[in-house]
Amino acid sequence: DAKTTQPPSMDCAEGRAANLPCNHSTISGNEYVYWYRQIHSQGPQYIIHGLKNNETNEMASLIITEDRKSSTLILPHATLRDTAVYYCIVRYWGDMRFGAGTRLTVKP
Amino acid sequence: GAGVSQSPSNKVTEKGKDVELRCDPISGHTALYWYRQSLGQGLEFLIYFQGNSAPDKSGLPSDRFSAERTGGSVSTLTIQRTQQEDSAVYLCASSLELGFTPPEIDNYGYTFGSGTRLTVV
Repeated sequence: DAKTTQPPSMDCAEGRAANLPCNHSTISGNEYVYWYRQIHSQGPQYIIHGLKNNETNEMASLIITEDRKSSTLILPHATLRDTAVYYCIVRYWGDMRFGAGTRLTVKP
Repeated sequence: GAGVSQSPSNKVTEKGKDVELRCDPISGHTALYWYRQSLGQGLEFLIYFQGNSAPDKSGLPSDRFSAERTGGSVSTLTIQRTQQEDSAVYLCASSLELGFTPPEIDNYGYTFGSGTRLTVV
């Protein structure tokens, strides 16, 4: 019973913006959108989360549509070190359930 | 501590033996989570602790798996009579979450440890 849908893979050129989409059409009113990434053989790393307003931190920006049914994670200037699996998760509280994510490959 | 610490980082064990995996969460984090990740697969949720209590044990794969947490800090995941299909990376995470504290003040989400790579031979 997946709550989010992400493309399995994406490529991005180094130095360009990486835009990773996520669909969450059944999101509830109090559920947040979280993004994590997992670089090969490491534990997942928290990136950002938001409710309905766009959010930005030192790692990325999160754009959530007005109807909250989808969102986009933006890495403004992707580097080779951003190659990872990116997970979009919808949740209010309790444990975080990870889907298959999007494998982003940043190419030189 | 500064981060989530897991030990051992690697464990090779013979089929049928018991193993204990340890997780030291970030000081002050009341919530602790165990996941496992088989080679090339996604993260499989195992169990979640709020303080010393585990509200949801449904993710544990079988009755050979058990977990406990003492003093609201260190957690141990025990696998009895290990099987080859138990081979995986076992990841622990902790978060600040306090009871029903909503994500509005959760600025860091989950912090994961580096995992324990378990190989059952």
